Amino acid sequence: QKEVEQDPGPLSVPEGAIVSLNCTYSNSAFQYFMWYRQYSRKGPELLMYTYSSGNKEDGRFTAQVDKSSKYISLFIRDSQPSDSATYLCAMRDYTGTASKLTFGTGTRLQVTL
Amino acid sequence: NAGVMQNPRHLVRRRGQEARLRCSPMKGHSHVYWYRQLPEEGLKFMVYLQKENIIDESGMPKERFSAEFPKEGPSILRIQQVVRGDSAAYFCASSPARSSYEQYFGPGTRLTVT
Repeated sequence: QKEVEQDPGPLSVPEGAIVSLNCTYSNSAFQYFMWYRQYSRKGPELLMYTYSSGNKEDGRFTAQVDKSSKYISLFIRDSQPSDSATYLCAMRDYTGTASKLTFGTGTRLQVTL
Repeated sequence: NAGVMQNPRHLVRRRGQEARLRCSPMKGHSHVYWYRQLPEEGLKFMVYLQKENIIDESGMPKERFSAEFPKEGPSILRIQQVVRGDSAAYFCASSPARSSYEQYFGPGTRLTVT
């Protein structure tokens, strides 16, 4: 079983729709949760990060963490064609010297006109 | 403020040759991480370095791969005697402190082994 599970998609939505992207994880040691956006043939770009359970909002993006269920989500409101990309969830623990990120496989999102 | 820089952006090597990938972290960052992304897969951690020290190399293949981050100059990921299975995108990320969970990624080096 992978430590982080993420549906690869592709997910196709019309412009203006609300998008929900999700990841589940199995490692209880994960404490920090991040969402990255990656355009084709580019490096990942940090979108949001959160530590505690609950919601964190930044513009059209809302990150949600439920540690009891080991489930994280990213919501995109009023989706735009420019949001078309692969979205990667990432997480890390805070034990010892470990600072590596563990990533999901990414969900491809296509926002259509 | 320049972001993380990687070069070359594209690298083609024949089987058996050596590949050297370079990464210059963001200004003020002293922690460097290397990740590999295979087609249709997520990023996999390879190694975490600070200046002149390897902190965590748990994701590095035991043979042919090595990494360094010297006191002066960029971090180098070195792959000796490349094989077709090494073809991938290699990304470098940097952060300002070990406790920071914000890792900023470079554009990647796409290695093709022919």
